[in-house]
Amino acid sequence: QSVLTQPPSVSGAPGQRVTISCTGSSSNIGAGYDVHWYQQLPGTAPKLLIYGNSNRPSGVPDRFSGSKSGTSASLAITGLQAEDEADYYCQSYDSSLSGSGVFGTGTKVTVL
Amino acid sequence: EVQLVESGGGLVQPGGSLRLSCAASGFTFSSYEMNWVRQAPGKGLEWVSYISSSGSTIYYADSVKGRFTISRDNAKNSLYLQMNSLRAEDTAVYYCARTYYDFWSGYQGGLDYWGQGTLFTFSS
Repeated sequence: QSVLTQPPSVSGAPGQRVTISCTGSSSNIGAGYDVHWYQQLPGTAPKLLIYGNSNRPSGVPDRFSGSKSGTSASLAITGLQAEDEADYYCQSYDSSLSGSGVFGTGTKVTVL
Repeated sequence: EVQLVESGGGLVQPGGSLRLSCAASGFTFSSYEMNWVRQAPGKGLEWVSYISSSGSTIYYADSVKGRFTISRDNAKNSLYLQMNSLRAEDTAVYYCARTYYDFWSGYQGGLDYWGQGTLFTFSS
């Protein structure tokens, strides 16, 4: 059971804006640890979309944006496109766990 | 071009062992922190283990602590995961992944390159 909770699914029509939440607690996001976001297309390895809460690696379209506030973070996709249909995961660090990182539960984005 | 290529997956019997390898190329391997992440069939991502660039700092998820051992050979540009006392719940695709490192700012965080994954299946 992950300590970072995401909605199982979100959907939107092409061109619309969708947001995915990542809810944590005072031992992870709320403690100031950075949040990173990944996109996983079917049958492929995950791809880094956002690092350090709101930074895009080179090559990632500016339709993708990230933000963080309090114990939560969000990924926004504007101008939704068919190729955005994928699973999305947030990731952070949790001081209550012995390891280095923790992933969110994952969100399936469906383009209607 | 950065490449990470995992190998070593396969069928293993209860309580068995397996060693996964990840061959890195296209970057200075010894400068980067590395990780293993797994994904059970139809499930989400689970971070498994982390190793610093020098190998001096290592972390494990509670689910594998005491059974799995991460290591690296910077001379061979390779990352390893020794998995012992394997259980059914260890069945997954195992990915090696590089920690993002911005040399200008010194920032490290997020996993910017991933291998294609290697599948380990538990055989009963």
